[in-house]
Amino acid sequence: DAGVIQSPRHEVTEMGQEVTLRCKPISGHDYLFWYRQTMMRGLELLIYFNNNVPIDDSGMPEDRFSAKMPNASFSTLKIQPSEPRDSAVYFCASRTDSHYGYTFGSGTRLTVV
Amino acid sequence: DQQVKQNSPSLSVQEGRISILNCDYTNSMFDYFLWYKKYPAEGPTFLISISSIKDKNEDGRFTVFLNKSAKHLSLHIVPSQPGDSAVYFCAASFSGTYKYIFGTGTRLKVLA
Repeated sequence: DAGVIQSPRHEVTEMGQEVTLRCKPISGHDYLFWYRQTMMRGLELLIYFNNNVPIDDSGMPEDRFSAKMPNASFSTLKIQPSEPRDSAVYFCASRTDSHYGYTFGSGTRLTVV
Repeated sequence: DQQVKQNSPSLSVQEGRISILNCDYTNSMFDYFLWYKKYPAEGPTFLISISSIKDKNEDGRFTVFLNKSAKHLSLHIVPSQPGDSAVYFCAASFSGTYKYIFGTGTRLKVLA
């Protein structure tokens, strides 16, 4: 298995632009999570899905952030418009119902200038 | 408000000695705890976990201790190796939920 695949690995964009981050979970994993890592707050949960349905989006910072999971093998996290304070590493993770641990992707480092 | 706290941002230990990483939590309803290790430019990887019905779990060189009354857990690495140099995150969850709340991480450096 290739693990959780995220793209792009790095994204540099100008303030005000739309940014889309992508994630392919491990096949058979029915939970998908989006986290954001910053120095100040560590790993923060933004949203998670079960069987493609959003279950908890209470961590999404504001309306500029949106996430979708159109099918079991693909999810996106979109920021529109982006701001410099959105600069962080964004991780996607997946898990099955039967195992407690997540498998994380390698992350997308987002820089908004 | 941080529900899971790792108050030491960094720790340096000599190779062969014990590394002790600490984590405190505020919510007594948490009942499952994990430790993740993260190398630069990689995602965190699962290391070890413990349920609240236990006070210790061991896996090779790694042992996690849970003190529920103090709302404290710790990760012991014995003996420490240079390859253990990484950022370590603790995380906690409630029964019936599938999300983990992570701490801010502790950067461990094992000196050869």
